[in-house]
Formats: sequence, structure tokens, C-alpha cells
Amino acid sequence: ILNVEQSPQSLHVQEGDSTNFTCSFPSSNFYALHWYRWETAKSPEALFVMTLNGDEKKKGRISATLNTKEGYSYLYIKGSQPEDSATYLCAFIPRSGGGADGLTFGKGTHLIIQP
Amino acid sequence: DTGVSQDPRHKITKRGQNVTFRCDPISEHNRLYWYRQTLGQGPEFLTYFQNEAQLEKSRLLSDRFSAERPKGSFSTLEIQRTEQGDSAMYLCASSFSPGYTFGSGTRLTVV
Repeated sequence: ILNVEQSPQSLHVQEGDSTNFTCSFPSSNFYALHWYRWETAKSPEALFVMTLNGDEKKKGRISATLNTKEGYSYLYIKGSQPEDSATYLCAFIPRSGGGADGLTFGKGTHLIIQP
Repeated sequence: DTGVSQDPRHKITKRGQNVTFRCDPISEHNRLYWYRQTLGQGPEFLTYFQNEAQLEKSRLLSDRFSAERPKGSFSTLEIQRTEQGDSAMYLCASSFSPGYTFGSGTRLTVV
């Protein structure tokens, strides 16, 4: 059983503040790590697909880093806006399936931006 | 192509009834996945198709669950003799590589 942990479980942030949260995953047999944003009543939206140790990816005010040797990824949001309120999910793919296996998700970090 | 479509969005059924959900993936995506999300958990993998072939099934998929993808296009997920524990959000995703595109899900409530 693959163990993917996200912390914190929920987070309240003041509008304009920056924030970050963590995803930890098995450091052995790594293939890829995905980040998704899931707003209520919508589809999970792909943010990043990360494959290389040391990867840093950016999309607007959101960025992510990856450390495959120690098994963690950070997601950063700069200058939080109310529209950033969502559940942020990370998902791990092991090498054993060559990427064709299903994603193993963490439980998510529920982010609420307070105006 | 407007993305991955799932139908219905919501389904309320009585315990013991059969239900079927449909997923229409992005047309050029050869891989299709079903996931289930229960309250407080992340989505859990159920099964995976490459074209019309069902290549993997999770141990979570009891014999009451069956999925098909005829002709490698849309997919259906059927649950027979539903139980209250089947209440969940059922998500479909399609993929070409490397990313996944998810549908909005079908929320099943078994009463």
C-alpha cells in the first residue's frame, strides 16, 4: 500500500498572504508526482506534473518543488486570492507501473482564503 | 472537445438497486480511469482501461462492480445491489500522457 500524506489537512489564510503545504510520498520507486486543484462542484484541475528531482514548476502565483530523494513536494501560493480557495491534492505514480498505474492520492489540503 | 463528461451528476438510489454511470473521455485519449472518493479521503483508484482493454482493477472493486469501455470510447461503471458504503463521488479521468483530465464526477447517495 502506497502512503501519500498531505499536511496540513486544512488551512485558513488571509487574502494577500502567501502560504505553502506539503505532500510526502515513498522516496523509492518514484515515477511522477501530480498536483491538482479541486473546487467544489468542479473537476479536479491539473496544476503540475513533476518527474525530476529538484524540479520547480510555476503557474501564475502557484509554484511547486520536488525532492524525490527525501520524498516530498511543496506547493506554494503567493499573494492568496479568494479564488484560490479549493482542495489541493497531490498524487503519486510509482515506477513499477511505468506510469500506466492509477494515481495514489493524498487526502488533500483544504484551503480557505479569508477576505 | 469540451473535456471529460460524466453522467449523471447526482444519483440517489435505494439500497439493493443497480446503478450505472457513464464517462465520455477526451476523444484522442486512449487511457481511461475510474476513481472513487469518500468523505475525508482522497480519490481512490478503481480501474483502468487502455483503449477497450481493462488492464487493472483495484482490490477495492468488489464483484458487484463492473466497468466496460466498448470500442475504446465511452465507459460505463455499474454497481449491482448497491450498499450504503457505496455512497461516494465517482470520478472518471482520461489521459494520453503525461497528465490526466478529470470529469466533474457522479455523486452517488445510497439510502
